[in-house]
Amino acid sequence: GAGVSQSPRYKVAKRGQDVALRCDPISGHVSLFWYQQALGQGPEFLTYFQNEAQLDKSGLPSDRFFAERPEGSVSTLKIQRTQQEDSAVYLCASSPRGNYGYTFGSGTRLTVV
Amino acid sequence: GDSVTQMEGPVTLSEEAFLTINCTYTATGYPSLFWYVQYPGEGLQLLLKATKADDKGSNKGFEATYRKETTSFHLEKGSVQVSDSAVYFCALLPYNFNKFYFGSGTKLNVKP
Repeated sequence: GAGVSQSPRYKVAKRGQDVALRCDPISGHVSLFWYQQALGQGPEFLTYFQNEAQLDKSGLPSDRFFAERPEGSVSTLKIQRTQQEDSAVYLCASSPRGNYGYTFGSGTRLTVV
Repeated sequence: GDSVTQMEGPVTLSEEAFLTINCTYTATGYPSLFWYVQYPGEGLQLLLKATKADDKGSNKGFEATYRKETTSFHLEKGSVQVSDSAVYFCALLPYNFNKFYFGSGTKLNVKP
């Protein structure tokens, strides 16, 4: 597609509920990244894929967070047993390779009530 | 570790005023430096970048120069417009790594 597409755009979850956030990267982009942006803060790195391989997951805040990219294209970020502190905008970005040509999606705003 | 510090906002200016948003960084090696802009309800858009010392990135009237000696990458614009109102993020991408380090953002309000 023309850009990085994320869905849903907004998600309200009750505390304890599981959620799944989807990212459709630009076609052909090898690298895919997830970031978490808390209100009033800059984005913070969560995890990175090269094709289907998850090469860095050092930013995932707990084992309730899980990301996958099984076919090296679409990626899903799953959060289990959501808590209020998970409320944030989750941004996905893709690039054709490594470090350059990042394109960010518009994000999914998750609110946990 | 690697980090970015940028001036806190909000910054409020009148149209056609001069803009400076300060950004300093801490990094090992030779990172690339970026400014991203985020309009309300939208994702991050790359504004400009510089990949090595003394490089100047520029776009849409905005400029920033990569100063290794002062570890800075300050954003400037000579004459701001109302349409420049947004949140601006300074970011660092370490050499040979794949994750950005972002500053906390500076909100710019430009009044007519």
